[in-house]
Amino acid sequence: AQRVTQPEKLLSVFKGAPVELKCNYSYSGSPELFWYVQYSRQRLQLLLRHISRESIKGFTADLNKGETSFHLKKPFAQEEDSAMYYCALSDTGSARQLTFGSGTQLTVLP
Amino acid sequence: DGGITQSPKYLFRKEGQNVTLSCEQNLNHDAMYWYRQDPGQGLRLIYYSQIVNDFQKGDIAEGYSVSREKKESFPLTVTSAQKNPTAFYLCASKVTPANNEQFFGPGTRLTVL
Repeated sequence: AQRVTQPEKLLSVFKGAPVELKCNYSYSGSPELFWYVQYSRQRLQLLLRHISRESIKGFTADLNKGETSFHLKKPFAQEEDSAMYYCALSDTGSARQLTFGSGTQLTVLP
Repeated sequence: DGGITQSPKYLFRKEGQNVTLSCEQNLNHDAMYWYRQDPGQGLRLIYYSQIVNDFQKGDIAEGYSVSREKKESFPLTVTSAQKNPTAFYLCASKVTPANNEQFFGPGTRLTVL
């Protein structure tokens, strides 16, 4: 069975400091991984996906198959980055279901 | 905003009553999903539908039922059999089942009194 683990429920950093939100996964096949974000009073939305290898709002995430990790990083955190972040894994079946981690609440302090 | 709507935003029900949560989308998406969001547990899949008139159980389907009579609508009924129904419920959709990006509604917070 696939599983996504986000070990930190809460994470606080100061503005301008680097931030890393951890995500580890277990999956027998070739995973597709995503980060979703939920800002206060907004809908849950896709932030980035590993296959795109893109940087969104300064965030990047690299899939490390050896360590089964997909950590989200940003070199200089901004106050507007404060939100709940969910790591998610998609299976490769026809339904492409998403399995979500438990989420990390990031607070960027002024 | 738009695309996926959920109503109502807040819902209260008495213990023992069934209640139906609405989810509508005008994105012409084939696949629709219901999740339950609890603090510290992330999102857990209740039911999903890949196409009209077809749906499958997710990880926590017990005490819930759904229907998919129209492409744009995927209502969720929380029955009295659901032991702990108080939660935040999210509906989502995507273009096709094979596509990976899900679009989420604003959610409905259900409180059982």
